Amino acid sequence: EAQVTQNPRYLITVTGKKLTVTCSQNMNHEYMSWYRQDPGLGLRQIYYSMNVEVTDKGDVPEGYKVSRKEKRNFPLILESPSPNQTSLYFCASSFQGYEQYFGPGTRLTVT
Amino acid sequence: RKEVEQDPGPFNVPEGATVAFNCTYSNSASQSFFWYRQDCRKEPKLLMSVYSSGNEDGRFTAQLNRASQYISLLIRDSKLSDSATYLCVVNEGNDMRFGAGTRLTVKP
Repeated sequence: EAQVTQNPRYLITVTGKKLTVTCSQNMNHEYMSWYRQDPGLGLRQIYYSMNVEVTDKGDVPEGYKVSRKEKRNFPLILESPSPNQTSLYFCASSFQGYEQYFGPGTRLTVT
Repeated sequence: RKEVEQDPGPFNVPEGATVAFNCTYSNSASQSFFWYRQDCRKEPKLLMSVYSSGNEDGRFTAQLNRASQYISLLIRDSKLSDSATYLCVVNEGNDMRFGAGTRLTVKP
């Protein structure tokens, strides 16, 4: 089954404790992206990757890192999470210029 | 000015009603356009792509006006199951720009 998977789905953590949210897709998509969604603000792009070893900042990259060592995986790293990073996070993938497929989301709470 | 703007909603309509959503975008070089549907706390899912000639999928019709930088979605004969948030999405090459979404509630 074609899909985008994210883990964990829910995470409660404390300020400053490094965490990684994994994202994997099995559709051979070259383009992958991370978004955060907050009430009233819609989806905002954090980082995107156009292919292996190619990543670029989106609209709200501060406090986040990503890597793209393999085509299928695009982890999101929060080196020192803060409460303002409490949000719903979505990973997505696509062929360039085509519709994106989203993972099920990760609900992160930073206390 | 926001790059992709949608009707703020919410739209509350009775079953069977016709409802239209509008979306404007600021980048005239935008290349492709989509409508997504998002249910509460779930991931967005593609509803339909939007083509220059307009396209229809059952009760849903999407229109694109490049000159006015305007996209629309029409839902006919609304069903309870159409209740969701509808997101307008514009592809600017490397970036996908999302509108904030319009909430639709269809009531019996």
